[in-house]
Amino acid sequence: EAGVAQSPRYKIIEKRQSVAFWCNPISGHATLYWYQQILGQGPKLLIQFQNNGVVDDSQLPKDRFSAERLKGVDSTLKIQPAKLEDSAVYLCASRTGQGILLPEAFFGQGTRLTVV
Amino acid sequence: AQSVAQPEDQVNVAEGNPLTVKCTYSVSGNPYLFWYVQYPNRGLQFLLKYITGDNLVKGSYGFEAEFNKSQTSFHLKKPSALVSDSALYFCAVRPNTGTASKLTFGTGTRLQVTL
Repeated sequence: EAGVAQSPRYKIIEKRQSVAFWCNPISGHATLYWYQQILGQGPKLLIQFQNNGVVDDSQLPKDRFSAERLKGVDSTLKIQPAKLEDSAVYLCASRTGQGILLPEAFFGQGTRLTVV
Repeated sequence: AQSVAQPEDQVNVAEGNPLTVKCTYSVSGNPYLFWYVQYPNRGLQFLLKYITGDNLVKGSYGFEAEFNKSQTSFHLKKPSALVSDSALYFCAVRPNTGTASKLTFGTGTRLQVTL
């Protein structure tokens, strides 16, 4: 079974530029998460999708961050404009969303963003 | 609001000795509990989960965890540590209230296993 795919693995941009990250979840997984992990901290949920609908985006800085999952499969997270404090690893995860015996989420390798 | 506490930033243990990484949680209702491990420049790798039933759950690489409802804890354990276990470990919780419930992580504990 293929895992969660993310691209790019690394990105360096200047502040005020824009950037986009892509995630392809495990096939058939209805739930998709985007997390931000700042160095030395635990992952912080940015947005959670159930199929193509947003379930939770309470911690997404909506003035600069946006995310979509138009067909309920892959997803894109965008930052525009980027700030220095956005430097972090952006993690995508997915889970089936079905069945009480399979509650775990599976993570991609992440995109490391450096804003200079 | 739900939360996870990992009170130790780092745990040091000698190879061959038992290890424990602590986790306590706060959530409304019954929890799903998870442990993940993160190696440098990698994503989070699922280790084990608690759903319901037996309080001692076994996972990958010889790890196990003990769920204690009265103490709201879910400590990660291994009887004999290996140098290759050195990594960052995260505890996470999600209410088992439906497919849309939120997954919350602790701040992580770095495990250092030495010879």
